[in-house]
Amino acid sequence: KNQVEQSPQSLIILEGKNCTLQCNYTVSPFSNLRWYKQDTGRGPVSLTIMTFSENTKSNGRYTATLDADTKQSSLHITASQLSDSASYICVVSAEGGSQGNLIFGKGTKLSVKP
Amino acid sequence: DAGVTQSPTHLIKTRGQQVTLRCSPKSGHDTVSWYQQALGQGPQFIFQYYEEEERQRGNFPDRFSGHQFPNYSSELNVNALLLGDSALYLCASSLGQGARVWTQYFGPGTRLLVL
Repeated sequence: KNQVEQSPQSLIILEGKNCTLQCNYTVSPFSNLRWYKQDTGRGPVSLTIMTFSENTKSNGRYTATLDADTKQSSLHITASQLSDSASYICVVSAEGGSQGNLIFGKGTKLSVKP
Repeated sequence: DAGVTQSPTHLIKTRGQQVTLRCSPKSGHDTVSWYQQALGQGPQFIFQYYEEEERQRGNFPDRFSGHQFPNYSSELNVNALLLGDSALYLCASSLGQGARVWTQYFGPGTRLLVL
């Protein structure tokens, strides 16, 4: 069964600190992996999209890594800001799957405290 | 350039009622997907519309139906509402079919509460 598991479920860090969120998936065959940021009560916003051949991609203070062999991805946030408080969702698309075949993780809820 | 818009933003209904949610895709996008997101969960795919036809459907009952108009906007209809239908309903738009990697833009969502 295609699944996406994220950890931790929630995380609290102090402003200015770094953190890393994890995503493990069992989706096969793999096409691409996305990280989204979702503010409370809002729609998700895309941070990064990585295909099989990419093992790292950055978007400002956000850096995503992908290990397609171990089927793991991480999202690293550098020098966190209060505005980084949100849920971060890992989404995996299966090869050949159309736009409806996205498997969403449950997300990691990040709280950045002053 | 307006992004994906959804209406209404919030809605309260009672069990057994029917509801219609609306979505306008990002300019230039022709494909609309609908998702249901329960509190604390990731979005669950309901269905997708392209060229005014339902192209794919997730594991949702027939109470959930939709429509796409010639201007690519879309509606999600839910009949015989249940308490468990309370959720954030997200609309996402994208361009075309068949691309290996494509970008999907989400709207702000409609928060539905069923009492």
